[in-house]
Amino acid sequence: DVKVTQSSRYLVKRTGEKVFLECVQDMDHENMFWYRQDPGLGLRLIYFSYDVKMKEKGDIPEGYSVSREKKERFSLILESASTNQTSMYLCASSLNNSPLHFGNGTRLTVT
Amino acid sequence: QKEVEQDPGPLSVPEGAIVSLNCTYSNSAFQYFMWYRQYSRKGPELLMYTYSSGNKEDGRFTAQVDKSSKYISLFIRDSQPSDSATYLCAMSGGDTGFQKLVFGTGTRLLVSP
Repeated sequence: DVKVTQSSRYLVKRTGEKVFLECVQDMDHENMFWYRQDPGLGLRLIYFSYDVKMKEKGDIPEGYSVSREKKERFSLILESASTNQTSMYLCASSLNNSPLHFGNGTRLTVT
Repeated sequence: QKEVEQDPGPLSVPEGAIVSLNCTYSNSAFQYFMWYRQYSRKGPELLMYTYSSGNKEDGRFTAQVDKSSKYISLFIRDSQPSDSATYLCAMSGGDTGFQKLVFGTGTRLLVSP
């Protein structure tokens, strides 16, 4: 079974802080993704990566950056957290031409 | 208008009922269609996926795609209380594969004993 592990289930940060969300997958998948999930808006793609050190912007990349130094690890960085970034953040991974497998999410609250 | 529309529910049914969950979409380029199940405070879990049109069955679950109507369905037979969850449809075009999925907002299903 694919395991996608997000390091924190719940996180509370203050406005202006730099925030790191970490994700690790154990199935040697090429692709990794970061989504945010908000009520009424569904899942929206922030960034994805198809290889180590490669990244592509998704639909809502503003205010975020990512890092993929190793194949199994994909980090999402909020450079200066704002209250409108309070959300559920979901990491996913996949093989090429295969569906995504998600982690259990990090619920981030920015106060 | 959203690219993928899904009724948020909640849809309440008694145990044993047949459940029909649906999504409509507007982009005729979509070729990959998926259904995910999401329990409260968990990530989405892949249930089924199909390529292009047709039906696919897996146990109590049947996924159906009607590309001419731009309409996909997930049927659950003999529904169980453990099926209570939010069901998300997702789809993408042939050129982007699974990299640029568009999700519905999810339908919440409640199956009562």
